[in-house]
Amino acid sequence: RKEVEQDPGPFNVPEGATVAFNCTYSNSASQSFFWYRQDCRKEPKLLMSVYSSGNEDGRFTAQLNRASQYISLLIRDSKLSDSATYLCVVNSPTGFQKLVFGTGTRLLVSP
Amino acid sequence: EAQVTQNPRYLITVTGKKLTVTCSQNMNHEYMSWYRQDPGLGLRQIYYSMNVEVTDKGDVPEGYKVSRKEKRNFPLILESPSPNQTSLYFCASSSPRGSTDTQYFGPGTRLTVL
Repeated sequence: RKEVEQDPGPFNVPEGATVAFNCTYSNSASQSFFWYRQDCRKEPKLLMSVYSSGNEDGRFTAQLNRASQYISLLIRDSKLSDSATYLCVVNSPTGFQKLVFGTGTRLLVSP
Repeated sequence: EAQVTQNPRYLITVTGKKLTVTCSQNMNHEYMSWYRQDPGLGLRQIYYSMNVEVTDKGDVPEGYKVSRKEKRNFPLILESPSPNQTSLYFCASSSPRGSTDTQYFGPGTRLTVL
């Protein structure tokens, strides 16, 4: 079983739609969780950290369910500029500052 | 401007010809790491370094070497490249204060080994 699993998509949505991505992780001892955004062939960039109580940043909401080892990202009012691949990232307790990346979920927002 | 730089950005080479990909950061970060990204496999860590002269293997270290003689630089060395090392490579840095911190990535190096 992969340490971090994501649906690869693509998710095709119209502008203005709400879309949600899910991610599961296998190591229950993981403590840090993130969503990174990666545009085509470019470097990943941190979108937001994910906190136990859930957190929101503008149109983006992240949720963590430790019991189910499940992370989600909700994007409201999708923009064309949201088209990208979203990487679910979890720290591995086995290594200092070691992050494990999911393979990503691709989002395509159309006019 | 805070950044991680990598060179070259694109490289086509032949099997067995030694090459080095440079990585440099100007944020005074202690932690640096190399990843490779392949379709369907995501980002996989090759090597990491917690500080000068301190390096360790990641998940896929075979065929690679690194060194950390200065805090700002973390070159990736392929002594005898092979076609299965054709990939997109990213260098990243972060400062380990508190919990796992944001990793800042370089722009990537696209390597093709013929």
